Amino acid sequence: DTAVSQTPKYLVTQMGNDKSIKCEQNLGHDTMYWYKQDSKKFLKIMFSYNNKELIINETVPNRFSPKSPDKAHLNLHINSLELGDSAVYFCASSQSQGVTPVNGYTFGSGTRLTVV
Amino acid sequence: AQSVTQPDIHITVSEGASLELRCNYSYGATPYLFWYVQSPGQGLQLLLKYFSGDTLVQGIKGFEAEFKRSQSSFNLRKPSVHWSDAAEYFCAVGERSGFQKLVFGTGTRLLVSP
Repeated sequence: DTAVSQTPKYLVTQMGNDKSIKCEQNLGHDTMYWYKQDSKKFLKIMFSYNNKELIINETVPNRFSPKSPDKAHLNLHINSLELGDSAVYFCASSQSQGVTPVNGYTFGSGTRLTVV
Repeated sequence: AQSVTQPDIHITVSEGASLELRCNYSYGATPYLFWYVQSPGQGLQLLLKYFSGDTLVQGIKGFEAEFKRSQSSFNLRKPSVHWSDAAEYFCAVGERSGFQKLVFGTGTRLLVSP
């Protein structure tokens, strides 16, 4: 059983399209995250949700909209895709409700988005 | 500003040799400290973490790391590197208060030569 699963693993799309990436965790964690890894491997947080509530929203274009239907799911919808959106997007989860994240953060295997 | 620095972009080590990957952080207080490894085309796997207590922490795959408060460092070590250790290694820190988020260093690519 995969702890944090993302779909799809690969996504190739044209500029201007709208796409979604889905993430699910079965660890019972209360906090989920989206990270973006650029072509230089740099990882930067985009969003974080705690029990379906948005708690971290870094400087991300409005074209990116996360949605958390429940604490086990966090989806990322991207409108009007641009070439610069090409990256690997990682979902992660942790038990972080004000306590030490004793198990660290668990990451999905990533979604490689290529915008052409 | 809070930051995490991994000064080595690439490191090449001979198989069987020892390894040390450097990580320095700049935070107002001692954060939580982590090392993750990313194999090609894979997600990030947690190697080890430091919260408090003993400053030498043991992790998976024979890795260890030492927290040095005076140097604001959390260097990763392995006494004998295997070819399968070739990967990208990330140091990360998390704040102790509020809703934590991980802030990553820029990563160090480890190459293992025969």
